[in-house]
Amino acid sequence: DIQLTQSPSFLSASVGDRVTITCRASQGITKYLAWYQQKPGKVPKVLIYDISTLESGVPSRFSGSGSGTEFTLTISSLQPEDFATYYCQQLNNYPLTFGGGTKVEIK
Amino acid sequence: EIQLVESGGGLVQPGGSLRLSCAASGFTFSDHYMDWVRQAPGKGLEWIARARTKVNNYDTEYAASVKGRFTVSRDDSQNSLFLQMNRLKTDDTAIYYCTRRRNWSWTFDSWGQGTLVTVSS
Repeated sequence: DIQLTQSPSFLSASVGDRVTITCRASQGITKYLAWYQQKPGKVPKVLIYDISTLESGVPSRFSGSGSGTEFTLTISSLQPEDFATYYCQQLNNYPLTFGGGTKVEIK
Repeated sequence: EIQLVESGGGLVQPGGSLRLSCAASGFTFSDHYMDWVRQAPGKGLEWIARARTKVNNYDTEYAASVKGRFTVSRDDSQNSLFLQMNRLKTDDTAIYYCTRRRNWSWTFDSWGQGTLVTVSS
């Protein structure tokens, strides 16, 4: 199984801050890694797929990068609507797995 | 507009059974792999089951936590996905989401609102 470890699990940031979330995989992932955003009481929404491709309609302040076993989600300038929990997911191997999540809160 | 609507959740005793349904609309259901993802209260996301398409022999995949107890199936004529859950445990308490896998990027691009399953005596 591919374990995904996200760090940090919690971060406190201010509007306008640059935020980076890391997702480390226990085995290499070639292509199929996605990032989702989930707000309280809402369903997850895909932000990034195939490591770095921005989902249609998602603001360009979100970006994804990485290769092998280390991947990052970056928010270039945090906006009030970005306070949420973020999950990475690998779709390379079964069982499909999610990271533990990173909760982004207002400082 | 793509819609996924889950139903069938509720309160069940440990050891009991429940069958969840997901009604799909707004896309060609038979063309897509469909998955179940669950989220325990206050916890993260856990993928639990996949139903492939007819072209792929309707093959299925499961997470270890549910394998042998849960069965995923689909009825393309009814645009519906199902999850039969047997021998339920308290750890199965969660919101269960039906999701669609997009064909060209393998991402879960559409999610239902979820149905809550509570396993408790």
